[in-house]
Amino acid sequence: GQQLNQSPQSMFIQEGEDVSMNCTSSSIFNTWLWYKQDPGEGPVLLIALYKAGELTSNGRLTAQFGITRKDSFLNISASIPSDVGIYFCAGRYLNGGSNYKLTFGKGTLLTVNP
Amino acid sequence: EAQVTQNPRYLITVTGKKLTVTCSQNMNHEYMSWYRQDPGLGLRQIYYSMNVEVTDKGDVPEGYKVSRKEKRNFPLILESPSPNQTSLYFCASSFGQGLSPLHFGNGTRLTVT
Repeated sequence: GQQLNQSPQSMFIQEGEDVSMNCTSSSIFNTWLWYKQDPGEGPVLLIALYKAGELTSNGRLTAQFGITRKDSFLNISASIPSDVGIYFCAGRYLNGGSNYKLTFGKGTLLTVNP
Repeated sequence: EAQVTQNPRYLITVTGKKLTVTCSQNMNHEYMSWYRQDPGLGLRQIYYSMNVEVTDKGDVPEGYKVSRKEKRNFPLILESPSPNQTSLYFCASSFGQGLSPLHFGNGTRLTVT
């Protein structure tokens, strides 16, 4: 299946700093999704991107669907302690015929020091 | 409230004792899927279902079974659990497989001794 490289693996930042993480692949995707997972909980959808070049915001979060359709980034501005968690990217691609598959990055662990 | 509900949240069992993890969604979603999450390996798909009575293998189906007799329910069955199935399991659903984002349950932490 398609592989996603998510970086960085982990980040330690001070409250108030901006954060950037990204996912890259050698393959093309139709949709990019960004999720956040809090400890002991399931992933929660943050932003969904459907078109190459699309830039979408959700509060302090901004994500972009790369022009080449092979990458996406997520930015968090003015981080706060509750931003702590694991952030996952996910890319959806056509896996033969009309069958779509979703593949996940391995996650970025974000720690915010108050 | 729209949600995906998994039960139980925590389960400790012994090798070979059959178990079922239930999953139910109240959003009338056609597509449902099971994932396992392991450190360093991320989320890997076990099985998925496009609709009632339509199921297919994901990337790591060995040792698991599923059924989709009703639209809202998608149980995961481990006929003879083994220690390498100790993991965090997530059920997820969406309207379709194409554009609709996946919504996840809160997870089931399974330990097989």
